[in-house]
Amino acid sequence: DAGITQSPRHKVTETGTPVTLRCHQTENHRYMYWYRQDPGHGLRLIHYSYGVKDTDKGEVSDGYSVSRSKTEDFLLTLESATSSQTSVYFCAISESGSNEKLFFGSGTQLSVL
Amino acid sequence: AQSVSQHNHHVILSEAASLELGCNYSYGGTVNLFWYVQYPGQHLQLLLKYFSGDPLVKGIKGFEAEFIKSKFSFNLRKPSVQWSDTAEYFCAVRPVGYQKVTFGTGTKLQVIP
Repeated sequence: DAGITQSPRHKVTETGTPVTLRCHQTENHRYMYWYRQDPGHGLRLIHYSYGVKDTDKGEVSDGYSVSRSKTEDFLLTLESATSSQTSVYFCAISESGSNEKLFFGSGTQLSVL
Repeated sequence: AQSVSQHNHHVILSEAASLELGCNYSYGGTVNLFWYVQYPGQHLQLLLKYFSGDPLVKGIKGFEAEFIKSKFSFNLRKPSVQWSDTAEYFCAVRPVGYQKVTFGTGTKLQVIP
């Protein structure tokens, strides 16, 4: 398995509080992604990064921000958590070229009460 | 922006039956195409991918997929399914030259022994 660590693995928080999820990789891959997985919606891209300090929005970016100050770390912040953000969050990494594929972390189960 | 449609949301098959899962994408340019699988309790892993060349690609565990450019389709097939193929299957697309990877909503496959 690729070296991807997501933390925390589980979190319960209250509406209105800020939450930060961390993705750490040891593969030195250039591209990093945050997805959320919800029943009936599959995986939806929140934000992605194509290098240090280089990020872009995905299809469901409202209410989320990201930062990538080092190649190995990609942080996802819920600025003010809402119940609609209760989900499983997956980080993924990738490199370009013929071996391109996404390697996924184990996920973070987030519950917003 | 690209999008991916998976029309079969839930498929139930008996062991040894043949499988075909549909995937259609919308994007006017060149794309890289992927099928990922998520076994119960696990994170996504790559089944197969198509970048260019022979439109019939083979992946792990006996799966194959055919890219039909005129139909914007990338259907997944397996001649004879096993109980261990019970999982959720996701089609994904990445436009060449861009890093945004978009997933379909997934198809849950249940194989009955």
